[in-house]
Amino acid sequence: DTAVSQTPKYLVTQMGNDKSIKCEQNLGHDTMYWYKQDSKKFLKIMFSYNNKELIINETVPNRFSPKSPDKAHLNLHINSLELGDSAVYFCASSRWTEELQFFGPGTRLTVL
Amino acid sequence: GESVGLHLPTLSVQEGDNSIINCAYSNSASDYFIWYKQESGKGPQFIIDIRSNMDKRQGQRVTVLLNKTVKHLSLQIAATQPGDSAVYFCATDQTGANNLFFGTGTRLTVIP
Repeated sequence: DTAVSQTPKYLVTQMGNDKSIKCEQNLGHDTMYWYKQDSKKFLKIMFSYNNKELIINETVPNRFSPKSPDKAHLNLHINSLELGDSAVYFCASSRWTEELQFFGPGTRLTVL
Repeated sequence: GESVGLHLPTLSVQEGDNSIINCAYSNSASDYFIWYKQESGKGPQFIIDIRSNMDKRQGQRVTVLLNKTVKHLSLQIAATQPGDSAVYFCATDQTGANNLFFGTGTRLTVIP
């Protein structure tokens, strides 16, 4: 009954590969987010979606493509993975009318 | 843009003592402030939040203080316990923006 879940928890892959991370929330929220946390623990927003519509698209390489099939899901696809993509990626969700965001457990991506 | 910073990257306290974690922000338009706790291998968890129309809010063993004049936020943890050991983040937002800006984090270590 996890509120915000992500799969996989760990992802190890080679440079140049394409991979996806999935996120699901069962809180009934209409807004979902992807964040990247670097090795220094700095958290930075990448994207946000409201009702399946892209709202925030920070300066992120276009190798990163979010997809929201419905309000409860926001997946992140990454093409041509690079060493610098290694990080922990967090999904979060909120109500559009509220600032409080609930975070998933994170996906640790390691690019070799 | 927003700049959210923390005065101390690490903080060590004795079990039972009170902890104070500080945060500075630069955007005077910020009107929502939130503290998250991130334990090792987990996602950020909500602790307490406060809006700009308040200068103090209390929860269970935690208090957030907001000084809008100097753009400063602090988190006080009473009777710190080993389970409080984690990285603590402050974040700011503007009503309606749904765009949290996170600080760099403070690692709190509780010494038994």
